[in-house]
Amino acid sequence: DTGVSQNPRHKITKRGQNVTFRCDPISEHNRLYWYRQTLGQGPEFLTYFQNEAQLEKSRLLSDRFSAERPKGSFSTLEIQRTEQGDSAMYLCASIDAGTDYEQYFGPGTRLTVT
Amino acid sequence: AQSVTQLDSQVPVFEEAPVELRCNYSSSVSVYLFWYVQYPNQGLQLLLKYLSGSTLVESINGFEAEFNKSQTSFHLRKPSVHISDTAEYFCAVSGFSGGYNKLIFGAGTRLAVHP
Repeated sequence: DTGVSQNPRHKITKRGQNVTFRCDPISEHNRLYWYRQTLGQGPEFLTYFQNEAQLEKSRLLSDRFSAERPKGSFSTLEIQRTEQGDSAMYLCASIDAGTDYEQYFGPGTRLTVT
Repeated sequence: AQSVTQLDSQVPVFEEAPVELRCNYSSSVSVYLFWYVQYPNQGLQLLLKYLSGSTLVESINGFEAEFNKSQTSFHLRKPSVHISDTAEYFCAVSGFSGGYNKLIFGAGTRLAVHP
């Protein structure tokens, strides 16, 4: 058990560019969550997967955002045509739903859009 | 829907003094309650959780929180803080309506422990 990992840890991009983040959950965890945390705020839910199925999306997840978990293991979050308002920390968490109640968080990817 | 209010954005305190970080929530369904801690430049770590049973829950590093259903509160306390407790603390709820659900976080309370 190496914990939840996220890559890259930091990403600086210019407005209008596309970016993709990756999350590798704890291997036996079947549920994966994405959250966004802006400065001075708590994390806000974006979306979650049960295995490979995306079961819920927040209204915060505009059409420019897309997330996948193709084989029920790692997940990617893509932001197209980035805007300065997308600058935030993007957090991933995983859980073995049904046997546990603690979400295990990764270190996050900090996105800065210039 | 659920929401969480952390009443203090910052709490300064001297080392070895007691501290209370306040958290109130609203929900139309039964909830699970959590406190997470975020140290500088690190990810979120679970500090303690209330699922059911005893309303007083404790962590291994001396923090405790009490679930008060009538006041919809889950305040975090520690009788004597250390410099190393300096961090951001987040209260979170998860609504339980047929299955475990997403976490709803408060805005956080920054605890600053001074020597």
